[in-house]
Amino acid sequence: DTGVSQNPRHKITKRGQNVTFRCDPISEHNRLYWYRQTLGQGPEFLTYFQNEAQLEKSRLLSDRFSAERPKGSFSTLEIQRTEQGDSAMYLCASRKQGLDDSDTQYFGPGTRLTVL
Amino acid sequence: GEDVEQSLFLSVREGDSSVINCTYTDSSSTYLYWYKQEPGAGLQLLTYIFSNMDMKQDQRLTVLLNKKDKHLSLRIADTQTGDSAIYFCAENGSYNTDKLIFGTGTRLQVFP
Repeated sequence: DTGVSQNPRHKITKRGQNVTFRCDPISEHNRLYWYRQTLGQGPEFLTYFQNEAQLEKSRLLSDRFSAERPKGSFSTLEIQRTEQGDSAMYLCASRKQGLDDSDTQYFGPGTRLTVL
Repeated sequence: GEDVEQSLFLSVREGDSSVINCTYTDSSSTYLYWYKQEPGAGLQLLTYIFSNMDMKQDQRLTVLLNKKDKHLSLRIADTQTGDSAIYFCAENGSYNTDKLIFGTGTRLQVFP
């Protein structure tokens, strides 16, 4: 078990560009989550999937943000027309619903986005 | 509404005990968690407690839950310099959601 992995670890982009991040969950974890963490704050929930279905989206997820999990394994988070306010750490987490009775979400190392 | 609050900073001497406190508002939370975050890294689960428990001990960590006051604490015994990090408490919210609600984090600094 290699844990949750995220790529890239760091991304620097210019305002107005599109960026895409990838998350590979722990094998056999059917739930996958995206969170955003700005400096000095705790993570804030963005969205989550069960298999390929997107079950909940936060109001933080504006129409410039889109997340997919097409085959129920890895997920991508795309931000279109980035703004400086999008600069943050984007964290991915996963869990196996029903297997772990603590409902624990396991986090990846995050992708740090800097928008210039 | 959903809100989790923590004090921002804690400074302790190496070898002493650290106590990090957290208050939450959602009484329907099933589990409450403590995560640790080192600089530039993701979140590492430290421990969790089921909402019908009062206390849980795991090696140097002791979690106390006062459900009436909606207060959670994490005690780290024999604090080491390697424990210096940001500690987040989190609750898993209402029955109809699967998101975690995090506090703002407590920065623990351990000095020799």
